[in-house]
Amino acid sequence: EDKVVQSPLSLVVHEGDTVTLNCSYEVTNFRSLLWYKQEKKAPTFLFMLTSSGIEKKSGRLSSILDKKELFSILNITATQTGDSAIYLCAAMIYNQGGKLIFGQGTELSVKP
Amino acid sequence: ETGVTQSPTHLIKTRGQQVTLRCSSQSGHNTVSWYQQALGQGPQFIFQYYREEENGRGNFPPRFSGLQFPNYSSELNVNALELDDSALYLCASSPDRAETQYFGPGTRLLVL
Repeated sequence: EDKVVQSPLSLVVHEGDTVTLNCSYEVTNFRSLLWYKQEKKAPTFLFMLTSSGIEKKSGRLSSILDKKELFSILNITATQTGDSAIYLCAAMIYNQGGKLIFGQGTELSVKP
Repeated sequence: ETGVTQSPTHLIKTRGQQVTLRCSSQSGHNTVSWYQQALGQGPQFIFQYYREEENGRGNFPPRFSGLQFPNYSSELNVNALELDDSALYLCASSPDRAETQYFGPGTRLLVL
């Protein structure tokens, strides 16, 4: 059965801290790994990772994929209260179409 | 460029009723995927539509059905509603089947 597991499930940090969110996957027909940020309703797209070992960066956020060990991490440096959200990771599998298998999410709370 | 839109934003139904949720895809996108997100969990894949054809389905019963129109907008229909159908229903559009999926704001369905 296709499975994506995120850890930790929740995290409380203070502004300025650096956090690392983990995502491991066991899926068939793996195509790519995506990260989303969900604040109220719509998950907003952060990164799509297809190749192993190539870091993607956007401001204070960065992410990398390890296709040998089947995991990805999302790093957030110098956290701000606006980073408080649920972070979702999803494995895209491709079999007659691209389907996202999501983890449970990591709830990040950044305190002032 | 208009993003993904969904209607209605909220809906209350009673058990046994039928519901139709609507999604307008982002300009230039030909693929729409639907997900169900229960409280505290990651989204679960319902099905994907590509150029008006169903292109992959998750573990949902046949009472969950859909359509995609020539302008690539889509509908999700759920018949014989059950209490467990209460959830946030998310629609995502993408430029093609295995490309990044961009989510709409969702429809919150409550079944009483």
